[in-house]
Amino acid sequence: DQQVKQNSPSLSVQEGRISILNCDYTNSMFDYFLWYKKYPAEGPTFLISISSIKDKNEDGRFTVFLNKSAKHLSLHIVPSQPGDSAVYFCAADNNDYKLSFGAGTTVTVRA
Amino acid sequence: NAGVTQTPKFRVLKTGQSMTLLCAQDMNHEYMYWYRQDPGMGLRLIHYSVGEGTTAKGEVPDGYNVSRLKKQNFLLGLESAAPSQTSVYFCASSYSRDQPQHFGDGTRLSIL
Repeated sequence: DQQVKQNSPSLSVQEGRISILNCDYTNSMFDYFLWYKKYPAEGPTFLISISSIKDKNEDGRFTVFLNKSAKHLSLHIVPSQPGDSAVYFCAADNNDYKLSFGAGTTVTVRA
Repeated sequence: NAGVTQTPKFRVLKTGQSMTLLCAQDMNHEYMYWYRQDPGMGLRLIHYSVGEGTTAKGEVPDGYNVSRLKKQNFLLGLESAAPSQTSVYFCASSYSRDQPQHFGDGTRLSIL
């Protein structure tokens, strides 16, 4: 039973526009959330994180929003660039050494 | 900057064969993890270690064993490979529990 769900397997966006990736979770004990980016034939790389005590965290073009009451987080990429084309994984941590990952969303940025 | 190195990158096994996947990290991280990634699913934790000489079960530990004899190495063993273990395996490490994990580039394992 997946505790972290990314319901959109893919997203296509034009270069320069905003990409919005969504993630829902079911476990209310999760207190730390992360986004990872993955290129083909490479391992995931850390992108941005947010603690449950915050509702927003920003790092350059990437912003993560957390809505605890809805058990929902989103990643905004503004503006989208061709190098952003990758698979994005949402992950959640409930303070027990184990990360729970979503299935990933494949982002394609069109020129 | 090697980071996390996984060996081998690809391997094909026959059902019933055994093998060991090696993960090495040069960042002096305490925590190490083994995941598997299957189509349509996120990464699932197989086993993890919180320090040299320690191991613990993750979400999907059956059919796998691990060892952490040295701080920099984390080995994943398949004693009797099964087709259901065909997957991409990722190793990761982190300095502490609340620090992001650094991943290797994966081992693609096919079991016929």
